[in-house]
Amino acid sequence: SQTIHQWPATLVQPVGSPLSLECTVEGTSNPNLYWYRQAAGRGLQLLFYSVGIGQISSEVPQNLSASRPQDRQFILSSKKLLLSDSGFYLCACQEIRSYNEQFFGPGTRLTVL
Amino acid sequence: AQKVTQAQTEISVVEKEDVTLDCVYETRDTTYYLFWYKQPPSGELVFLIRRNSFDEQNEISGRYSWNFQKSTSSFNFTITASQVVDSAVYFCALISSSGGYNKLIFGAGTRLAVHP
Repeated sequence: SQTIHQWPATLVQPVGSPLSLECTVEGTSNPNLYWYRQAAGRGLQLLFYSVGIGQISSEVPQNLSASRPQDRQFILSSKKLLLSDSGFYLCACQEIRSYNEQFFGPGTRLTVL
Repeated sequence: AQKVTQAQTEISVVEKEDVTLDCVYETRDTTYYLFWYKQPPSGELVFLIRRNSFDEQNEISGRYSWNFQKSTSSFNFTITASQVVDSAVYFCALISSSGGYNKLIFGAGTRLAVHP
């Protein structure tokens, strides 16, 4: 079964600073990878998904970007953070081309001040 | 369009009570999958169950049970003899064939508080 790692676990950043969150997956090959954001007390919002290396689909316009430099690595970035970027960021993994469940990582809690 | 509705925002029960979390979904597809996830205070989403649209059998796993009814487009989750450790936010979710296997549609979640 797959294991999903995310780091850092928590992050406090000033407005306007850059961001890089990393997600790595073990125990599977060619997975679909996802980034979600959860604002405080709210539901989950899909930000990006990737079906392969270098293939990124964006769900909502924003100042965030994602990259997939390796099969089991998914990175969420920003050049300049906004206050509204604060939230809990979750990476998820799903077996490729399937309707299987997504498995989630432990998350990164980002506070932008 | 696909949609998942969890009308109960918060539920509060006393330990050992049974509690049912409601989930109603919308999809025009005949092939779809339904899921329940648990999000404890630590934040990580824990997968609980997957059910496909062709399997209407109810499922029981220990104190957890799920009632899937296509006629009412519902996939409700019951916890029997609730415990404090069941306190969490529970999400119902849907993947359907037209939405693509990579689009998991979540409900807004139900926060369950179990008090001793």
